[in-house]
Amino acid sequence: ETGVTQTPRHLVMGMTNKKSLKCEQHLGHNAMYWYKQSAKKPLELMFVYNFKEQTENNSVPSRFSPECPNSSHLFLHLHTLQPEDSALYLCASSPTGDASGANVLTFGAGSRLTVL
Amino acid sequence: GQNIDQPTEMTATEGAIVQINCTYQTSGFNGLFWYQQHAGEAPTFLSYNVLDGLEEKGRFSSFLSRSKGYSYLLLKELQMKDSASYLCAAMDSNYQLIWGAGTKLIIKP
Repeated sequence: ETGVTQTPRHLVMGMTNKKSLKCEQHLGHNAMYWYKQSAKKPLELMFVYNFKEQTENNSVPSRFSPECPNSSHLFLHLHTLQPEDSALYLCASSPTGDASGANVLTFGAGSRLTVL
Repeated sequence: GQNIDQPTEMTATEGAIVQINCTYQTSGFNGLFWYQQHAGEAPTFLSYNVLDGLEEKGRFSSFLSRSKGYSYLLLKELQMKDSASYLCAAMDSNYQLIWGAGTKLIIKP
């Protein structure tokens, strides 16, 4: 496979469940990102990992817990979510996390999460 | 505060030309990106402008005016497959991306 792959593509969970979203990139990139996309709202950056180190946490509630075991894999662990957390969760990667306009993001197709 | 404005939805006819505008207000500026996102798919990179002017890539062109805080994406010879959402994002002085809510483009035969 090439590009950025996210699983599962769709997830329905109750508020007391624990689940995880997985992202894998086959591009040799060193930075990975989690974004939240809600209908008719701008993309919200959640977490950034650069060379496996978390470099950004945009005041995300602790019920979202990221994990980056290596530069190719990124997880988002979900626990006791709220209905307002229902959204499309996008993973992205870029060559580095360096501050640069040339650091173009490659996105996965997203995991559509519904919290009941 | 930092803000990106772009129209929520636009409709155009197959074969025609459409211009999607984006205005931005950011703390500093390090360039502007356009991404295309088909329904249920990943956003994909279209263009990056950091200098004033027009950059052309086939049927798609992107324009930037830094003094006006304004960009547009121009799509020519529209095809049905161009029906998608178009996301505008400006990079601020800290190289953080500030995203617009996206413009849904509907192409009619």
